[in-house]
Amino acid sequence: KAGVTQTPRYLIKTRGQQVTLSCSPISGHRSVSWYQQTPGQGLQFLFEYFSETQRNKGNFPGRFSGRQFSNSRSEMNVSTLELGDSALYLCASSLRAGYNEQFFGPGTRLTVL
Amino acid sequence: ILNVEQSPQSLHVQEGDSTNFTCSFPSSNFYALHWYRWETAKSPEALFVMTLNGDEKKKGRISATLNTKEGYSYLYIKGSQPEDSATYLCASNTGTASKLTFGTGTRLQVTL
Repeated sequence: KAGVTQTPRYLIKTRGQQVTLSCSPISGHRSVSWYQQTPGQGLQFLFEYFSETQRNKGNFPGRFSGRQFSNSRSEMNVSTLELGDSALYLCASSLRAGYNEQFFGPGTRLTVL
Repeated sequence: ILNVEQSPQSLHVQEGDSTNFTCSFPSSNFYALHWYRWETAKSPEALFVMTLNGDEKKKGRISATLNTKEGYSYLYIKGSQPEDSATYLCASNTGTASKLTFGTGTRLQVTL
């Protein structure tokens, strides 16, 4: 069974641009969560999607948004990029919302110049 | 405890040593405690998910215990090997939401 995949793996953008990251969950998994890791910080929860609906949202500005498609694939968008958005973005999938076991992808490393 | 905290921040042991790390988490509205191993350039790998007070789980040389009343969990590695070198993360979730609150991790380095 293929694991969680994320594309692209690396991305370089400049301030003010926008970026879209993609996450394909494990086949059969319907819940996708997104996390951000910056140097010195633990993984910070961004949001969770289940059945194309956002179920939970972390404490991030409105520039961070996401969506989920009918095939459970999810995208995350960051508009008007700032230097502080440089981070590793991880997504995790689980069978259903609220299900304990979550499986992580390898992440997308975003650098904002 | 308001946040998930892990100690120590880093640890350097020799091959064959046994070691343990601590994770402290808010005990109110507790639902589950997760341990992950994260090697450089790889995905975080789930080790254990624990929900019950007094739970003990084991996977090979790695084991974990859980105390939900006082809000802590211990991860033990017996006879450390170089391939155990990684960052070990714990995370808790409250209620039935999938949102995980992570600690900053314990970075373990095992040398020959």
